[in-house]
Amino acid sequence: DIVMTQSPDSLAVSLGERATINCKSSQSVLYSSDNKNYLAWYQHKPGQPPKLLIYWASTRESGVPNRFSGSGSGTDFTLTISRLQADDVAVYYCHQYFTTPYTFGQGTKLEI
Amino acid sequence: EVQLVESGGGLVQPGRSLRLSCTTSGFIFGDYAMSWVRQAPGKELEWVSFIKSKLYGGTTDYAASVKGRFTISRDDSKNIAYLQMNSLKTEDTAVYYCTRGRELLEYWGRGTLVTVSS
Repeated sequence: DIVMTQSPDSLAVSLGERATINCKSSQSVLYSSDNKNYLAWYQHKPGQPPKLLIYWASTRESGVPNRFSGSGSGTDFTLTISRLQADDVAVYYCHQYFTTPYTFGQGTKLEI
Repeated sequence: EVQLVESGGGLVQPGRSLRLSCTTSGFIFGDYAMSWVRQAPGKELEWVSFIKSKLYGGTTDYAASVKGRFTISRDDSKNIAYLQMNSLKTEDTAVYYCTRGRELLEYWGRGTLVTVSS
């Protein structure tokens, strides 16, 4: 199984500042035949279902503010939230869909 | 508007069975794979199973932790996906989410709580 490890487990960022969440996979999720990283990011707020933010490591889902950006390739990925807003408080998960069993990171709790 | 609504959760004793339903609307159900993802209390999200659309053979796959005990199915005439859970264990206690998609989980239901306890 591909193990997804996020860092940090939690972080507190001031309003208007930048938050950076890292995700490392135990093996590459870059598929050579299409040169795509099979890596997504989800935002999960209490009492709500998770929301897809980023896929293919850096493609923003429709409707997601451009303050959210994803980067990285192979085994190392980053979710960056610029100009943090109060509404961004949530747990963020990275997710590999390169191969089953699809796996998630342990989550990073973002606080203000 | 895409909607997914899970039902069928509840309290069940270890070893018993439960069937979850995911009633959908707002999209052509038969065109999409459907998945189940769960979250145990205080734990991360865990992929459980998916079923492809009939166009892709309706192929299914399962997490090792549920393989042989859980069965995913779909009724395209009713726009419903199911998760039959047999031989339930205490470690199956979780909120179960129904999602549209297989790799990219674009839409999620609000989840249904399954508690396995004696």
